[in-house]
Amino acid sequence: QVQLVQSGAEVKKPGASVKVSCKTSGFTFSRFGITWVRQAPGQSLEWMGWISPYNGKPNYAQKLQGRVTMTTDTSTSTAYMELTSLGSDDTALYYCARSSFGSGGQLYFDYWGQGTLVTVSS
Amino acid sequence: DIQMTQSPSSLSASVGDRVTITCRASQSISTYVNWYQVKPGRAPKVLIYAASSLHSGVPSRFGGSGSGTDFTLTISSLQPDDLATYYCHQSYSTPYSFGQGTKLEIK
Repeated sequence: QVQLVQSGAEVKKPGASVKVSCKTSGFTFSRFGITWVRQAPGQSLEWMGWISPYNGKPNYAQKLQGRVTMTTDTSTSTAYMELTSLGSDDTALYYCARSSFGSGGQLYFDYWGQGTLVTVSS
Repeated sequence: DIQMTQSPSSLSASVGDRVTITCRASQSISTYVNWYQVKPGRAPKVLIYAASSLHSGVPSRFGGSGSGTDFTLTISSLQPDDLATYYCHQSYSTPYSFGQGTKLEIK
Protein backbone atom coordinates (compact mmCIF):
# COMPACT_ATOMS: atom_id res chain seq x y z
CA GLN A 1 0.00 0.00 0.00
CA VAL A 2 1.04 3.59 -0.52
CA GLN A 3 2.92 5.01 2.46
CA LEU A 4 4.73 8.26 3.19
CA VAL A 5 6.68 8.21 6.45
CA GLN A 6 8.22 11.43 7.69
CA SER A 7 11.13 12.10 10.02
CA GLY A 8 10.61 13.00 13.67
CA ALA A 9 9.86 16.24 15.44
CA GLU A 10 12.49 18.97 15.50
CA VAL A 11 13.20 21.91 17.82
CA LYS A 12 15.30 24.66 16.31
CA LYS A 13 16.56 28.07 17.36
CA PRO A 14 15.72 31.18 15.35
CA GLY A 15 18.03 31.53 12.37
CA ALA A 16 18.76 27.81 12.14
CA SER A 17 17.79 25.41 9.36
CA VAL A 18 15.73 22.23 9.35
CA LYS A 19 15.57 19.34 6.89
CA VAL A 20 12.55 17.04 6.90
CA SER A 21 12.51 13.71 5.09
CA CYS A 22 9.60 11.81 3.57
CA LYS A 23 10.29 8.16 2.77
CA THR A 24 7.78 6.65 0.36
CA SER A 25 6.80 3.13 -0.59
CA GLY A 26 4.08 1.27 -2.44
CA PHE A 27 4.29 3.19 -5.72
CA THR A 28 6.73 4.13 -8.49
CA PHE A 29 8.35 7.21 -6.97
CA SER A 30 9.51 8.76 -10.25
CA ARG A 31 5.97 8.85 -11.66
CA PHE A 32 4.47 11.13 -9.02
CA GLY A 33 5.19 14.60 -7.74
CA ILE A 34 5.73 15.27 -4.04
CA THR A 35 4.13 18.34 -2.49
CA TRP A 36 4.92 19.97 0.85
CA VAL A 37 2.18 21.63 2.91
CA ARG A 38 2.43 23.12 6.39
CA GLN A 39 -0.04 24.08 9.08
CA ALA A 40 0.85 26.61 11.76
CA PRO A 41 -1.00 26.36 15.11
CA GLY A 42 -4.60 27.46 14.71
CA GLN A 43 -4.12 28.23 11.02
CA SER A 44 -5.21 26.71 7.75
CA LEU A 45 -3.09 24.62 5.43
CA GLU A 46 -0.41 26.38 3.40
CA TRP A 47 1.06 25.07 0.15
CA MET A 48 4.87 25.35 0.20
CA GLY A 49 5.77 23.90 -3.17
CA TRP A 50 6.25 20.69 -5.06
CA ILE A 51 8.61 18.75 -7.30
CA SER A 52 7.18 17.90 -10.68
CA PRO A 53 7.41 14.26 -11.80
CA TYR A 54 7.84 15.40 -15.41
CA ASN A 55 11.08 17.35 -15.18
CA GLY A 56 12.10 16.92 -11.54
CA LYS A 57 12.12 20.67 -11.09
CA PRO A 58 10.72 22.31 -7.98
CA ASN A 59 8.08 25.02 -7.90
CA TYR A 60 8.10 27.01 -4.66
CA ALA A 61 5.61 29.37 -3.06
CA GLN A 62 6.80 32.91 -3.68
CA LYS A 63 6.84 33.78 0.02
CA LEU A 64 9.36 30.99 0.70
CA GLN A 65 11.61 31.58 -2.32
CA GLY A 66 15.23 31.74 -1.26
CA ARG A 67 14.65 29.87 2.02
CA VAL A 68 13.19 26.54 0.91
CA THR A 69 14.80 23.72 -1.05
CA MET A 70 12.95 20.58 -2.08
CA THR A 71 14.84 17.58 -3.38
CA THR A 72 14.30 13.91 -4.08
CA ASP A 73 16.47 10.79 -3.96
CA THR A 74 15.04 8.29 -6.41
CA SER A 75 17.43 5.55 -5.21
CA THR A 76 15.66 5.51 -1.83
CA SER A 77 12.26 6.93 -2.92
CA THR A 78 12.70 9.72 -0.42
CA ALA A 79 11.81 13.40 -0.65
CA TYR A 80 13.40 16.16 1.40
CA MET A 81 12.39 19.68 2.35
CA GLU A 82 14.95 22.07 3.83
CA LEU A 83 13.95 25.44 5.27
CA THR A 84 16.59 27.96 6.32
CA SER A 85 16.67 31.16 8.40
CA LEU A 86 13.88 29.86 10.62
CA GLY A 87 11.67 32.30 12.49
CA SER A 88 8.94 31.79 15.06
CA ASP A 89 6.31 31.93 12.31
CA ASP A 90 7.82 28.78 10.80
CA THR A 91 6.61 26.78 13.80
CA ALA A 92 4.19 24.37 12.18
CA LEU A 93 3.27 20.81 11.32
CA TYR A 94 4.92 19.99 7.99
CA TYR A 95 3.37 17.42 5.64
CA CYS A 96 4.55 15.75 2.48
CA ALA A 97 1.91 14.47 0.08
CA ARG A 98 1.82 12.53 -3.15
CA SER A 99 0.44 14.50 -6.08
CA SER A 100 -1.92 12.84 -8.53
CA PHE A 101 -4.07 14.04 -11.42
CA GLY A 102 -7.73 13.60 -12.24
CA SER A 103 -8.90 12.66 -15.72
CA GLY A 104 -9.11 16.35 -16.64
CA GLY A 105 -5.64 17.14 -15.36
CA GLN A 106 -6.79 18.41 -11.97
CA LEU A 107 -3.98 18.08 -9.43
CA TYR A 108 -4.78 16.74 -5.97
CA PHE A 109 -2.92 15.25 -3.02
CA ASP A 110 -4.04 11.65 -2.61
CA TYR A 111 -1.73 10.30 0.11
CA TRP A 112 -0.11 12.22 2.95
CA GLY A 113 2.64 11.69 5.46
CA GLN A 114 1.87 11.74 9.17
CA GLY A 115 3.38 15.20 9.62
CA THR A 116 6.55 16.51 11.25
CA LEU A 117 6.28 19.12 13.98
CA VAL A 118 8.94 21.81 13.71
CA THR A 119 9.15 24.15 16.66
CA VAL A 120 11.25 27.30 16.44
CA SER A 121 12.08 28.69 19.85
CA SER A 122 14.96 30.43 21.56
CA ASP B 1 -3.28 34.71 -6.17
CA ILE B 2 -6.57 32.84 -5.86
CA GLN B 3 -8.40 33.15 -2.52
CA MET B 4 -10.71 30.39 -1.30
CA THR B 5 -13.46 31.57 1.04
CA GLN B 6 -14.96 28.69 2.98
CA SER B 7 -18.08 28.72 5.14
CA PRO B 8 -19.13 28.12 7.77
CA SER B 9 -16.00 28.16 9.93
CA SER B 10 -17.67 25.79 12.39
CA LEU B 11 -20.75 23.64 12.34
CA SER B 12 -22.58 21.48 14.86
CA ALA B 13 -24.94 18.79 13.62
CA SER B 14 -26.58 15.58 14.76
CA VAL B 15 -25.92 12.05 13.58
CA GLY B 16 -27.98 11.44 10.46
CA ASP B 17 -28.16 15.11 9.46
CA ARG B 18 -27.32 16.34 5.98
CA VAL B 19 -24.36 18.72 6.16
CA THR B 20 -23.23 21.21 3.54
CA ILE B 21 -19.96 23.16 3.41
CA THR B 22 -19.34 25.76 0.75
CA CYS B 23 -16.26 27.27 -0.83
CA ARG B 24 -16.05 30.28 -3.13
CA ALA B 25 -13.03 31.04 -5.30
CA SER B 26 -11.94 34.61 -6.02
CA GLN B 27 -11.88 33.81 -9.75
CA SER B 28 -13.20 31.06 -12.00
CA ILE B 29 -11.25 27.83 -11.53
CA SER B 30 -13.29 25.34 -13.56
CA THR B 31 -13.38 22.10 -11.51
CA TYR B 32 -9.92 22.40 -9.98
CA VAL B 33 -11.18 21.96 -6.42
CA ASN B 34 -10.48 19.22 -3.92
CA TRP B 35 -11.77 18.55 -0.40
CA TYR B 36 -9.75 17.15 2.49
CA GLN B 37 -10.61 15.82 5.95
CA VAL B 38 -8.16 16.51 8.77
CA LYS B 39 -8.34 14.86 12.18
CA PRO B 40 -5.95 15.75 15.05
CA GLY B 41 -2.87 13.54 15.02
CA ARG B 42 -3.82 11.92 11.73
CA ALA B 43 -2.63 12.41 8.16
CA PRO B 44 -5.07 14.44 6.06
CA LYS B 45 -7.28 12.49 3.68
CA VAL B 46 -8.63 13.52 0.30
CA LEU B 47 -12.38 13.00 0.04
CA ILE B 48 -13.28 14.62 -3.28
CA TYR B 49 -11.04 15.63 -6.18
CA ALA B 50 -11.83 17.52 -9.39
CA ALA B 51 -14.89 19.02 -7.65
CA SER B 52 -17.07 15.91 -7.76
CA SER B 53 -14.99 12.72 -8.01
CA LEU B 54 -15.05 10.50 -4.95
CA HIS B 55 -11.58 9.26 -3.98
CA SER B 56 -11.15 5.50 -3.69
CA GLY B 57 -12.26 4.11 -0.33
CA VAL B 58 -14.19 7.23 0.73
CA PRO B 59 -17.75 6.48 1.94
CA SER B 60 -20.48 7.34 -0.55
CA ARG B 61 -22.17 9.69 1.93
CA PHE B 62 -19.56 12.28 0.88
CA GLY B 63 -20.28 14.20 -2.31
CA GLY B 64 -18.97 17.28 -4.10
CA SER B 65 -20.39 19.64 -6.68
CA GLY B 66 -19.74 22.93 -8.40
CA SER B 67 -17.69 24.57 -11.10
CA GLY B 68 -16.40 28.04 -11.83
CA THR B 69 -16.34 29.86 -8.49
CA ASP B 70 -18.82 28.06 -6.22
CA PHE B 71 -18.29 24.60 -4.74
CA THR B 72 -20.00 22.42 -2.19
CA LEU B 73 -19.07 19.44 -0.04
CA THR B 74 -22.07 17.48 1.20
CA ILE B 75 -22.30 14.74 3.80
CA SER B 76 -25.64 13.08 3.17
CA SER B 77 -26.00 11.41 6.58
CA LEU B 78 -23.57 12.53 9.26
CA GLN B 79 -21.75 9.79 11.19
CA PRO B 80 -19.79 10.06 14.47
CA ASP B 81 -16.57 9.30 12.61
CA ASP B 82 -17.03 12.49 10.55
CA LEU B 83 -15.86 14.65 13.48
CA ALA B 84 -13.00 16.57 11.81
CA THR B 85 -12.00 19.80 10.09
CA TYR B 86 -12.66 20.02 6.36
CA TYR B 87 -10.71 22.11 3.84
CA CYS B 88 -11.31 23.03 0.24
CA HIS B 89 -8.26 23.43 -2.00
CA GLN B 90 -7.73 24.95 -5.44
CA SER B 91 -5.16 23.48 -7.81
CA TYR B 92 -5.96 25.75 -10.75
CA SER B 93 -2.84 27.89 -10.41
CA THR B 94 0.12 28.32 -8.09
CA PRO B 95 0.33 29.24 -5.33
CA TYR B 96 -2.23 26.51 -4.65
CA SER B 97 -4.42 27.63 -1.78
CA PHE B 98 -6.77 26.25 0.83
CA GLY B 99 -9.91 27.53 2.48
CA GLN B 100 -9.83 28.49 6.15
CA GLY B 101 -11.44 25.22 7.19
CA THR B 102 -14.76 24.10 8.66
CA LYS B 103 -14.65 22.46 12.07
CA LEU B 104 -17.46 19.94 12.25
CA GLU B 105 -18.81 18.93 15.65
CA ILE B 106 -21.33 16.25 16.46
CA LYS B 107 -24.22 17.32 18.71
